[in-house]
Amino acid sequence: QSALTQPPSASGSPGQSVTISCTGASSDVGGYNSVSWYQQHPGKAPKLMIYEVSKRPSGVPDRFSGSKSGNTASLTVSGLQAEDEADYYCSSYVGSLVVFGGGTELTVL
Amino acid sequence: QVQLVESGGGVVQPGRSLRLSCAASGFTFSSYGMHWVRQAPGKGLEWVAFIWFDGSNKNYADSVKRRFTISRDNSKNTLYLQMNSLRAEDTAVFYCAREGQNYAMDVWGQGTTVTVSS
Repeated sequence: QSALTQPPSASGSPGQSVTISCTGASSDVGGYNSVSWYQQHPGKAPKLMIYEVSKRPSGVPDRFSGSKSGNTASLTVSGLQAEDEADYYCSSYVGSLVVFGGGTELTVL
Repeated sequence: QVQLVESGGGVVQPGRSLRLSCAASGFTFSSYGMHWVRQAPGKGLEWVAFIWFDGSNKNYADSVKRRFTISRDNSKNTLYLQMNSLRAEDTAVFYCAREGQNYAMDVWGQGTTVTVSS
C-alpha cells in the first residue's frame, strides 16, 4: 500500500490558478475512477472537495476542478482566494483498500 | 444535521488496548459504509479500515491488520474501532468518515486523539 505521490507544496497569488498533481500507478489512480480530493485547514477535519476524479459535492465552489490522465490525477484551483490556503490530499481506491497521497500544502501568496 | 462524533481517545501505554466510538446522526447510518482514518502529529492522512453498511465485509490497512478491529452496531448508529497491542506509532488523531460515492468520504467527524506512551 504505497502512498500516492503529491508535491509537498504549491503556491499562487490571489486570482491565479494552481494545479496539484497526484501520481500513482495503474493499480490505483490509473485503474479506477475512484480518485477523491480533500481540503484540510489546520486543526480541522478534512473536507471532501472532489470525488470520482472530477465531480464536486454540493456546496463546493466550481473554482475547484479535477481531472486524470493515465496514472496521474490533478486538482486545479482557479481564482485563488485566501481561504483556499490549506493542505490538500488525494486518495484512490486500490482493490478493496484506500490509499492517500502525502498531502500538498497550498499557500496563497 | 448530518453529524459524526468520535469518542474514546486518550493516553494509553504501549501494548494496551483502546476502543474508539463514532456516533452518527442525521442520516440512515445502516445504509452507509464507514471508514476510520488517522493522522499522526504533523503528518498526512492514513486510511485505517472500512466496513460495509451491514458489517458483512471489513478491510484493513496492513499497518493495523490483526491488531485493530472495525465493527458497527446499526441499532445504536455507532461505529467502533477496537485497537489492541498499541504501539507508539499508532499515536494520531482518529477520524471516522462516511462512505459516499465510490470510496469518497463525504462526511467526517471532528476526530479523537490517541496517544500511546509509557
